[in-house]
Amino acid sequence: ETGVTQTPRHLVMGMTNKKSLKCEQHLGHNAMYWYKQSAKKPLELMFVYSLEERVENNSVPSRFSPECPNSSHLFLHLHTLQPEDSALYLCASSQSGLADFSGANVLTFGAGSRLTVL
Amino acid sequence: GQQVMQIPQYQHVQEGEDFTTYCNSSTTLSNIQWYKQRPGGHPVFLIQLVKSGEVKKQKRLTFQFGEAKKNSSLHITATQTTDVGTYFCAGSPGNDMRFGAGTRLTVKP
Repeated sequence: ETGVTQTPRHLVMGMTNKKSLKCEQHLGHNAMYWYKQSAKKPLELMFVYSLEERVENNSVPSRFSPECPNSSHLFLHLHTLQPEDSALYLCASSQSGLADFSGANVLTFGAGSRLTVL
Repeated sequence: GQQVMQIPQYQHVQEGEDFTTYCNSSTTLSNIQWYKQRPGGHPVFLIQLVKSGEVKKQKRLTFQFGEAKKNSSLHITATQTTDVGTYFCAGSPGNDMRFGAGTRLTVKP
């Protein structure tokens, strides 16, 4: 148990479905992230919430929609996905944002949600 | 955009052999972090390097940050089967953090 809990661990959905991934952190961190991990590709940062400010990767399609109701919870809403969106989606948290190089930007990852889009 | 390149992509060694993975950036990095992801698992933080020329050790693992702060390496001495997994570097060329593609290490007993 890392202190970052993701549900569901596995999800299979059709292209017309709407689903959500959930992440909860119990570490008292102030920043939360969604990363996408595809085979043979670097970890791709999708969204960052730091002190309730949202920063996103502009290349992420609008069919992915994040929500961060408070500093402990993060959601990724999925709508009209494509088969190429199948991947491991990792949630992470850190004490402070990525621009803090003191060590407070060390990431603690959840176990991930394995998504398959049919 | 700015990228962090990592080589090799794969490395297969006999147990007891050494292993090294390298991370390179075209721009100066504010810091570099290393993570390990076991098969079927998630990335776990190993260490952070901040200073130019910094060297840190964790048992059989030695981490280096280049003098120019553009490259880093992770060296494992006398690999064991428990070392299997993918090792990622993550560097900060600006106000964000970029991950390398990772080096997948397999160890033959």
